[in-house]
Order: sequence, then structure tokens, then C-alpha cells
Amino acid sequence: KQEVTQIPAALSVPEGENLVLNCSFTDSAIYNLQWFRQDPGKGLTSLLLIQSSQREQTSGRLNASLDKSSGRSTLYIAASQPGDSATYLCAVSTNSGNTPLVFGKGTRLSVIA
Amino acid sequence: NAGVTQTPKFQVLKTGQSMTLQCAQDMNHNSMYWYRQDPGMGLRLIYYSASEGTTDKGEVPNGYNVSRLNKREFSLRLESAAPSQTSVYFCASRAGQPRPYGYTFGSGTRLTVV
Repeated sequence: KQEVTQIPAALSVPEGENLVLNCSFTDSAIYNLQWFRQDPGKGLTSLLLIQSSQREQTSGRLNASLDKSSGRSTLYIAASQPGDSATYLCAVSTNSGNTPLVFGKGTRLSVIA
Repeated sequence: NAGVTQTPKFQVLKTGQSMTLQCAQDMNHNSMYWYRQDPGMGLRLIYYSASEGTTDKGEVPNGYNVSRLNKREFSLRLESAAPSQTSVYFCASRAGQPRPYGYTFGSGTRLTVV
């Protein structure tokens, strides 16, 4: 059974700092990995999707990397801003394109002005 | 705007009451999913539908039923609500094969069972 772990559970940083959020998964036979952002009381917003054949994806100040063999992904946020404060969720899909996502419990990020 | 629409956004039920959570997507996606989110537990899959006409159980299906009414709509029914079903419910969809793009989520239904 696929399990996804996110460390740390919570993180507080000063504005402007670069930071890394970590995600690990137990079954390396993933199809793709997706990072989401969730603001308090809101739904999930997709940030980045990495197919299993890719090593990384970038969107603005965000960069996600994938190392399938070690079962790890990182989300790098450059020059953090208070508006980045949210919970970040990592999720993986295994085997086929229709296999449901398995989620980690998230990292709650606070960026202090 | 294209996306996943969930109704209602908020609901309070008494123990034993029934209700149906509605979900519709207008992106012509094949696959649809129902998750629940609880503090400390993360998102857990209740049921999913890989394509129109099919449904499968997820990690926590007990106490729920689903209907894939057509390609656009996927409803979740609570036949006899229990306080343990107090949660935030999210519906999601995905294009599926041959283009398994990422998931799109609805804004959620916050359900309280008293």
C-alpha cells in the first residue's frame, strides 16, 4: 500500500527566505506526483505535476523535483512571501493514469513579514 | 469558469438523517473522485469512478454510496448520517487515459452531523 509522508508538519520562516518542503513515498512505481496548495477553509489548488519520466517542473518561484528511485520529491519555494502561507500537500498516483491519488498530510507553512 | 462544482457548501445534519452531496465537472473528464479531509488524517479516498458507468471503493467507503449519473456528475450519498461523518468533503476529476493530467478539485462541502 502506497504511503506518503511529508516533513516537516509545520514550518515558520521569515519573509524572503528560500525553503524546501519534503515528500517521500513508499512505492517507487508511481505514475505521477502532484503538489497542491490549500488555504485555510478552502479547496485544493494544483501547483505542479511531475510525470514519472520527469525530474523536475518549474512554475514561477516554485520548483518541484522528483527522484523515483529514492521515493522522494521536494518543493522549493524561492524568496518566500507572506502570501505563500498555506498548507502544501504532496500526492502520488501509482501504476495507471486512473489510479486515485494518495495524499500526504501536508506541511503547514507560515511566512512571517 | 470551467472546473468542479460542489453543492452544498455547508450542511448541518442530525444523526440518522440522509443527504446527497452533488458534484459536477464541465471539463469532459473521465475520472471522478470523492475524498474526505479530517484534522490529522489528511485526505482519504471514499469512492471513485474511473469512467462513466463504473464506481469503486476507496479507503473509507463505509456509510457512503455513490452514483455516476453521467460523465459530468458524481454524487455521494449518506444514508444515515453519523457524527463520525463530520468532515470536509472534496470532489475531484481528472482527464484520465490517454492523457492522465493532474486533478482538479472542487471547493468542498463542510458537513457537520450533530
